Amino acid sequence: DVKVTQSSRYLVKRTGEKVFLECVQDMDHENMFWYRQDPGLGLRLIYFSYDVKMKEKGDIPEGYSVSREKKERFSLILESASTNQTSMYLCASSFGTSGSTDTQYFGPGTRLTVL
Amino acid sequence: GQNIDQPTEMTATEGAIVQINCTYQTSGFNGLFWYQQHAGEAPTFLSYNVLDGLEEKGRFSSFLSRSKGYSYLLLKELQMKDSASYLCAVNQAGTALIFGKGTTLSVSS
Repeated sequence: DVKVTQSSRYLVKRTGEKVFLECVQDMDHENMFWYRQDPGLGLRLIYFSYDVKMKEKGDIPEGYSVSREKKERFSLILESASTNQTSMYLCASSFGTSGSTDTQYFGPGTRLTVL
Repeated sequence: GQNIDQPTEMTATEGAIVQINCTYQTSGFNGLFWYQQHAGEAPTFLSYNVLDGLEEKGRFSSFLSRSKGYSYLLLKELQMKDSASYLCAVNQAGTALIFGKGTTLSVSS
């Protein structure tokens, strides 16, 4: 079974703090993704990575950065947290770039509250 | 542009059959996925279609018509545990998926 883990289930931070969300997968997947999920807006892609040290902007990258130093780990960084970044953050990974191997497997999510 | 549409909410009763529709307009197409997400949990993979037709997997089936930009997820013999959100997602080309906003299904006894 694919396992994707995230460092925290719940996190409370203050406005202006630097926030790190960590994601680790154990299936040697090439691709990793960060989404945020908000009521009425669905899943929105923030950043993704298709290889170590490679990253691509998703639909809503503003206010975020990412780091992928090792294949199994993909970090999301909020440089200066703001209240509009309060959300559920979901990490996912997938094996390849063709057909059913694009199936993404999700971590349990981190509910971040910025006060 | 790209757009994926699904109904926001649906209700059904135990034992019934429900069909959740998804229409998409994307610049490319490399497969369509359905995910299930229970409240407070991560989405889990249900099905994948890349060719036209019906894919059956137990109580769940998924249909695709590429010419119409249309898919549906069919759930038979509904159970209370099927109450969840169902997400339609399209792979345009390459790595990333585009997700619809999800359909919340409520199953009552």
